[in-house]
Amino acid sequence: ETGVTQTPRHLVMGMTNKKSLKCEQHLGHNAMYWYKQSAKKPLELMFVYNFKEQTENNSVPSRFSPECPNSSHLFLHLHTLQPEDSALYLCASSLSGGQSYTEAFFGQGTRLTVV
Amino acid sequence: DAKTTQPNSMESNEEEPVHLPCNHSTISGTDYIHWYRQLPSQGPEYVIHGLTSNVNNRMASLAIAEDRKSSTLILHRATLRDAAVYYCILMSWSGGGADGLTFGKGTHLIIQP
Repeated sequence: ETGVTQTPRHLVMGMTNKKSLKCEQHLGHNAMYWYKQSAKKPLELMFVYNFKEQTENNSVPSRFSPECPNSSHLFLHLHTLQPEDSALYLCASSLSGGQSYTEAFFGQGTRLTVV
Repeated sequence: DAKTTQPNSMESNEEEPVHLPCNHSTISGTDYIHWYRQLPSQGPEYVIHGLTSNVNNRMASLAIAEDRKSSTLILHRATLRDAAVYYCILMSWSGGGADGLTFGKGTHLIIQP
């Protein structure tokens, strides 16, 4: 148990569906992240939120839409996905700013299959 | 972020020490050396990090070369539960804000009983 909780753990969706992934942390962290891990590829950073503001978007297609309503919650809204979007989606959080630093804590991930 | 180079895989025996190397010849003065590992079917977890001096914690030790162009993660007594992919990552820490981690392919550590 890392303190970062992702739901659902598994998700199967059709290409025309709309679904959302949820991430929650109560570690007092102010930065949250979405990563994608495809088979046989390294983890890819998708989005970074710092104090609820998006500070990084690594050229992610618009069919992935993040939302960070507060420092404890992060969502990834999915719509009209493609089969190649099937992957493990990982959420992480950390403390940043000033002289404060913590390592990143990762959730267990959501295994997404697009059919 | 500067690039790191790690062997694709390593094999060791249970209860023996393991030395996982990482080369980072283009490291800059503000880059911290981080190690994470990912056990099967789990998200990555932090192992250790350092800047210039060697570091020890309950999980491992980090030995950093004097010129900082390489480092070694040391597991003092490997167990079967240490079988994982180990990632060596450089991250510049300016204290200004959050930066995501840039993962490479890592080293797949296999532990033989």
